[in-house]
Amino acid sequence: GAGVSQSPRYKVAKRGQDVALRCDPISGHVSLFWYQQALGQGPEFLTYFQNEAQLDKSGLPSDRFFAERPEGSVSTLKIQRTQQEDSAVYLCASSFSGNTEAFFGQGTRLTVV
Amino acid sequence: KQEVTQIPAALSVPEGENLVLNCSFTDSAIYNLQWFRQDPGKGLTSLLLIQSSQREQTSGRLNASLDKSSGRSTLYIAASQPGDSATYLCAVGNYQLIWGAGTKLIIKP
Repeated sequence: GAGVSQSPRYKVAKRGQDVALRCDPISGHVSLFWYQQALGQGPEFLTYFQNEAQLDKSGLPSDRFFAERPEGSVSTLKIQRTQQEDSAVYLCASSFSGNTEAFFGQGTRLTVV
Repeated sequence: KQEVTQIPAALSVPEGENLVLNCSFTDSAIYNLQWFRQDPGKGLTSLLLIQSSQREQTSGRLNASLDKSSGRSTLYIAASQPGDSATYLCAVGNYQLIWGAGTKLIIKP
């Protein structure tokens, strides 16, 4: 596609519910990143894929967070047993390679109630 | 640990003025520095990327400079327009970007 696409745009989850956030990167982009952005703050790194390999997951805040990219294209960020502190905008980005310009999707705003 | 700071947190100027946004970072051993804009409810739009070997990049009315030795970057916006109103963020790093909190810019018609 023309840009990075994320779905859903908005998600309201009850505390304890599992959620799955989807990211469709730009076609041909090898690298894919997930970031978490709290209100009024800059994004915080969560995880990085090169093709299907998850090379860095050091930013995932707990073992309730899990990301995958099984075929090296679409990625899913899964959050289990959501908590209120998980409420944030989750941004996905892709780039041709790990150190080139990153292009971001519009994000998924997750609200845990 | 790399830390990125953006000052001011907010800025309001009349249309037509030239302005400078500041970004500072604590570790000069950066790979890239990238400037983004973020509009309310929207994602991040990449404006300029400066590689560590470069000192500046230009795109239209935007010019970004990089001084690694002092740990600073500036984003210069010429002849500001109301459409430039947005939050501007800088980020440094390789594949893992470290971000500032942004400068919210308002251009008054």
